[in-house]
Amino acid sequence: DAGVTQSPTHLIKTRGQHVTLRCSPISGHKSVSWYQQVLGQGPQFIFQYYEKEERGRGNFPDRFSARQFPNYSSELNVNALLLGDSALYLCASSAVVGLANTEAFFGQGTRLTVV
Amino acid sequence: SQELEQSPQSLIVQEGKNLTINCTSSKTLYGLYWYKQKYGEGLIFLMMLQKGGEEKSHEKITAKLDEKKQQSSLHITASQPSHAGIYLCGADEGGTSYGKLTFGQGTILTVHP
Repeated sequence: DAGVTQSPTHLIKTRGQHVTLRCSPISGHKSVSWYQQVLGQGPQFIFQYYEKEERGRGNFPDRFSARQFPNYSSELNVNALLLGDSALYLCASSAVVGLANTEAFFGQGTRLTVV
Repeated sequence: SQELEQSPQSLIVQEGKNLTINCTSSKTLYGLYWYKQKYGEGLIFLMMLQKGGEEKSHEKITAKLDEKKQQSSLHITASQPSHAGIYLCGADEGGTSYGKLTFGQGTILTVHP
């Protein structure tokens, strides 16, 4: 079975541009969460989606947005890119939300470099 | 919000040695996850702990959650070069935030052959 897949794996963008990152969850999983991991730090929560609805949002500016599609795949969009947005963006997949200690599985991430 | 502190920040051991990584929370842990990460790659799920006093093992890795559910430890027995990487603990905030994980800063493990 395929795990969580993210695309692209690497991306270089210029300041001020827009970027779209994509994630396909594990088959049967209905929840997707997005995390940003800056070099040398742990991942920081950005968004959680379940059944196409936003269930949680971290402390990120409105330049960050996301959506989930009927097939449970998800996109993370970042507008007006800043140098500080350079990071590894991770997608996590879980079967459900609202239940304690649901296992979350991560993709390989998208390495975004803003120049 | 919940904060997780990992110690040590980095660890260098000789192959065959045992080691322990600690994760301390500022609040009661509703769920504690351990992940391993190779540099620049995704997170590999290791174990999840739920109950106070719980202990789980997989191959040479054992994770424990204390009775008060504010501290967890990850112990590796007879370390191997394949154990090298970044170990991250993540906490489920619980309540309406179930599924939102807060992570520690990570522990970098180097194992010399």
